[in-house]
Amino acid sequence: DAKTTQPPSMDCAEGRAANLPCNHSTISGNEYVYWYRQIHSQGPQYIIHGLKNNETNEMASLIITEDRKSSTLILPHATLRDTAVYYCIVRVAGNDYKLSFGAGTTVTVRA
Amino acid sequence: ETGVTQSPTHLIKTRGQQVTLRCSSQSGHNTVSWYQQALGQGPQFIFQYYREEENGRGNFPPRFSGLQFPNYSSELNVNALELDDSALYLCASSVGTGRLSGELFFGEGSRLTVL
Repeated sequence: DAKTTQPPSMDCAEGRAANLPCNHSTISGNEYVYWYRQIHSQGPQYIIHGLKNNETNEMASLIITEDRKSSTLILPHATLRDTAVYYCIVRVAGNDYKLSFGAGTTVTVRA
Repeated sequence: ETGVTQSPTHLIKTRGQQVTLRCSSQSGHNTVSWYQQALGQGPQFIFQYYREEENGRGNFPPRFSGLQFPNYSSELNVNALELDDSALYLCASSVGTGRLSGELFFGEGSRLTVL
């Protein structure tokens, strides 16, 4: 699976959009971009994933650049409950469920 | 639908002992995977079970072993515990095939402390 690079931490004001970047310059054509988050003392939670088109669900939006070498997770209206570690992972979708978590980005939403 | 449940939530063992951690997968999920998360780090893949067979393993020694039962619940066994085995052990379940198969549902974890 391709390696990802994320900033170690970022702050966001409550009610504002949080834009979380991720670089994955060695991504292969059949690898998806997944985002998970982990709130303190809980297990990781799936947020969203995509291949090359932008994706949106009730939690977030995922913007993938045309060359697929980077992506941005957007939390449109951050709340205090969005404070968590966010992991960007790239992998081939299929029967192998191994997720390679890096260190992630610690996002702190401030009132 | 019920989520992924793990037991026990916390436990303390001494070096050299053995431990068994348990996981009940989400209803309808036939694949279970286990992860180890040391303090301040991301989860690391231990192994995965599909239809009672191990079908993927990370870089963990053989003293880490597992089982999956016909009802898709699972156990993680660790023998000869070492101090470095102190970590949060996470179980995740998922459905077997398809494009959506990357979505894992994690439990809250079992916090193991080895003294």
